[in-house]
Amino acid sequence: GNSVTQMEGPVTLSEEAFLTINCTYTATGYPSLFWYVQYPGEGLQLLLKATKADDKGSNKGFEATYRKETTSFHLEKGSVQVSDSAVYFCALGNSGGSNYKLTFGKGTLLTVNP
Amino acid sequence: GAVVSQHPSRVICKSGTSVKIECRSLDFQATTMFWYRQFPKKSLMLMATSNEGSKATYEQGVEKDKFLINHASLTLSTLTVTSAHPEDSSFYICSARRSSYNEQFFGPGTRLTVL
Repeated sequence: GNSVTQMEGPVTLSEEAFLTINCTYTATGYPSLFWYVQYPGEGLQLLLKATKADDKGSNKGFEATYRKETTSFHLEKGSVQVSDSAVYFCALGNSGGSNYKLTFGKGTLLTVNP
Repeated sequence: GAVVSQHPSRVICKSGTSVKIECRSLDFQATTMFWYRQFPKKSLMLMATSNEGSKATYEQGVEKDKFLINHASLTLSTLTVTSAHPEDSSFYICSARRSSYNEQFFGPGTRLTVL
């Protein structure tokens, strides 16, 4: 079946530090890969996505590259801000029968200190 | 575009009562809606998948008689927690899939507290 394994947190960084959150997956077929962000008390927002191998998703300074050879989709940002403090979820999307389902990693809490 | 709303955002109820949570796609038609439950500091657990006009498909371990799901139209799905108990307290999040798109759009979530 499908599964997503992401780096366990919490991760605490100083402002302007470099961020990497690792994510690897197991899937059948050709999944799409996503990173979602959840701010305290809110729902999930799509941060970025990639739909095929070697695609790079990017948004708000965050990037992730779909690496089929290593089954990875690591999230990176060159210089984090305090406002980036949130929980980040890696997810895999695949068709399960007639429905398109998402499989989530356990989430990584990021805290950025000024 | 692709906005999903949930109502209410927070609800507190007494044990034994039923609570209904609405999920609406505001600017698109959603052939499929999903209901998730999120425990504190945990990931999202898919509870069920609902397609407009048909019965919901529940994930293993989710009680269909306790968590009633209705997807009456292409823009509205409801989750009713029947005879709620304190252990049902959680953050419930819905998402909606637009026809022909392999992407889900998430609502802001509903915090349920059962006293």
